[in-house]
Amino acid sequence: NAGVTQTPKFRVLKTGQSMTLLCAQDMNHEYMYWYRQDPGMGLRLIHYSVGEGTTAKGEVPDGYNVSRLKKQNFLLGLESAAPSQTSVYFCASNWGHLSGANVLTFGAGSRLTVL
Amino acid sequence: GQQVMQIPQYQHVQEGEDFTTYCNSSTTLSNIQWYKQRPGGHPVFLIQLVKSGEVKKQKRLTFQFGEAKKNSSLHITATQTTDVGTYFCAGRGTGFQKLVFGTGTRLLVSP
Repeated sequence: NAGVTQTPKFRVLKTGQSMTLLCAQDMNHEYMYWYRQDPGMGLRLIHYSVGEGTTAKGEVPDGYNVSRLKKQNFLLGLESAAPSQTSVYFCASNWGHLSGANVLTFGAGSRLTVL
Repeated sequence: GQQVMQIPQYQHVQEGEDFTTYCNSSTTLSNIQWYKQRPGGHPVFLIQLVKSGEVKKQKRLTFQFGEAKKNSSLHITATQTTDVGTYFCAGRGTGFQKLVFGTGTRLLVSP
C-alpha cells in the first residue's frame, strides 16, 4: 500500500519552461490537494479537487493548472515556470471534509527549482 | 479569509526541557489538527481536536483546544532528540471550509 506517491522528487527548470507534477493515491480518497511549502510560510493550498473531473482554486492558484481525469491521479502543471515558483510541492488526499474523514495523507514532496 | 498564526516560529531547547507551541485562529474553528514534519520529510498527522476545551495526550505530547475554539496548543514534556521537526496546526472553519495551516514551529533539540 503506497499511499500518496509524487513524481518527480526533484526537478530543475529554466524560466519559461513547462512541467507537470504527478500525484497518485491508492486509498480511494475522494479529495486531493496540492500545497506549496516555502520557508516561514507554512503550507499554502494551490488547487484542490473534491472528486474525479472536478478542480477548484486554493489560496495561491496563479501560474498553476490542475487536472483530475482519474480519481487516483491529480496533476499539477506549470505552463511557464518563474523563479517565484521555486518551492517544495506536496500532494495530499483524504476522504472528505467532515470530521473523522478529513485527515490529510501527504506525499513525500517534489522539490522544484526554477533558474 | 481565515488566518491561522503559530508561535514561536523557532525554538531551540536542550534535551529534557519542555516545549510548547501555540496556534491562534482569526475565526472560530470546527476542529483543529496537528501535524509533524521531520527535516526533509513530509507532514504526518498527529491528532485532531473537535470539542471546546478538549485535551488529548499522546505519551509526552499534550494537545489542547481552547474553550472558544479559536486557539490550540501542543506541549511536549521532557523533549528528546527524536522530537526534532516542524509542528504545524491546521484549522478548519465552520461549514464547508478547507484546512488552513499555521506557519509552523520549528523545534531543534540539542543532546
